[in-house]
Amino acid sequence: RKEVEQDPGPFNVPEGATVAFNCTYSNSASQSFFWYRQDCRKEPKLLMSVYSSGNEDGRFTAQLNRASQYISLLIRDSKLSDSATYLCVVLPTGNQFYFGTGTSLTVIP
Amino acid sequence: DAGITQSPRHKVTETGTPVTLRCHQTENHRYMYWYRQDPGHGLRLIHYSYGVKDTDKGEVSDGYSVSRSKTEDFLLTLESATSSQTSVYFCAILNRDRGADTQYFGPGTRLTVL
Repeated sequence: RKEVEQDPGPFNVPEGATVAFNCTYSNSASQSFFWYRQDCRKEPKLLMSVYSSGNEDGRFTAQLNRASQYISLLIRDSKLSDSATYLCVVLPTGNQFYFGTGTSLTVIP
Repeated sequence: DAGITQSPRHKVTETGTPVTLRCHQTENHRYMYWYRQDPGHGLRLIHYSYGVKDTDKGEVSDGYSVSRSKTEDFLLTLESATSSQTSVYFCAILNRDRGADTQYFGPGTRLTVL
């Protein structure tokens, strides 16, 4: 079983739509969780960390459900510039991070 | 910008030749990582380093070796490149800030083995 699993999509949504991505992880002892954004042919960039209480950064909201071992990312009022691949990342323990394969989002005018 | 550079950015080589990729950081981070990224697999850890001369294997280390003789440089070597090592290679550092550990990535090296 993979450490981190994501729906690869693609998600094609119109501008202004709300879209949500989910990710599941296998290690119940995992401590830290993140969402990264990766544009085509570029490096992954940290979008936001995910905290137990949930957190929001502008149009982006991240949630953690430890009981069900999943994290989510909600994007409200989608912009064309949100088109990218979103990577779910988990740090179980120690210093090795595990990455999902990514969910592709295209925002359509 | 975490001050990470990678060189070369693009390389085409032939099967059986040795290849060395370089990752350089300017902010004195202790931990450095090498990943490869392939369609359908996401980012997979090759090797990582937790200090000068201290390295450990990751999930896909076969066919790769690393060295870290200085804090700022982490080298990845393919002793004898194979076509299955055609990939995009990313270096990363671990940033520790107020107890929170996050990774930041270099711009990547696109390697093609013919």
